[in-house]
Amino acid sequence: DAGVIQSPRHEVTEMGQEVTLRCKPISGHDYLFWYRQTMMRGLELLIYFNNNVPIDDSGMPEDRFSAKMPNASFSTLKIQPSEPRDSAVYFCASTSGSSGGAGTGELFFGEGSRLTVL
Amino acid sequence: TQLLEQSPQFLSIQEGENLTVYCNSSSVFSSLQWYRQEPGEGPVLLVTVVTGGEVKKLKRLTFQFGDARKDSSLHITAAQPGDTGLYLCAAMNYGGSQGNLIFGKGTKLSVKP
Repeated sequence: DAGVIQSPRHEVTEMGQEVTLRCKPISGHDYLFWYRQTMMRGLELLIYFNNNVPIDDSGMPEDRFSAKMPNASFSTLKIQPSEPRDSAVYFCASTSGSSGGAGTGELFFGEGSRLTVL
Repeated sequence: TQLLEQSPQFLSIQEGENLTVYCNSSSVFSSLQWYRQEPGEGPVLLVTVVTGGEVKKLKRLTFQFGDARKDSSLHITAAQPGDTGLYLCAAMNYGGSQGNLIFGKGTKLSVKP
């Protein structure tokens, strides 16, 4: 079975440009998460969806960040305009809310999108 | 803000040595997970512990959840180069939903042959 699929794997862009990261969760999973990982701050939750509806976006750093989930098999994270401090690895993860109850379910992560903003 | 403190931050050992890494918090959690992340990949779940005092073993890895459900440890016996990676703990507070999973910054382990 295919895992969580993210694209692109690597993106190098210049400050001010728009960046769009894409994610295809595991089929049947009803939760989707976007995380950002840096050496300084570790793994930070940006936003998560349940049944395609954004539940908590309090981790989104600024209005420059936006995320959508138009259907159960696709989500995007957009940064516009991008800044050098946005450089990080962005992970998408999915899980099934019925897998463990009380939030003990396993998160399945994609391989990440490494973003470098010059 | 609830924090998960992991220690040590970095650990470099020789093949065959034993090691323990720690995950601590001042908060009580309903469950705690350990993930391993290899370079260029996403974290992969190793184990979930739910009951205070619980001990789980996965081959050479032993996981323990503290009695008070505020801390956890991961012990590796006879470490091998394949154990190299970033070990992350993640915890869920009581009454939390899936989104309330908090990650520590991790322990970066390097096992040299």
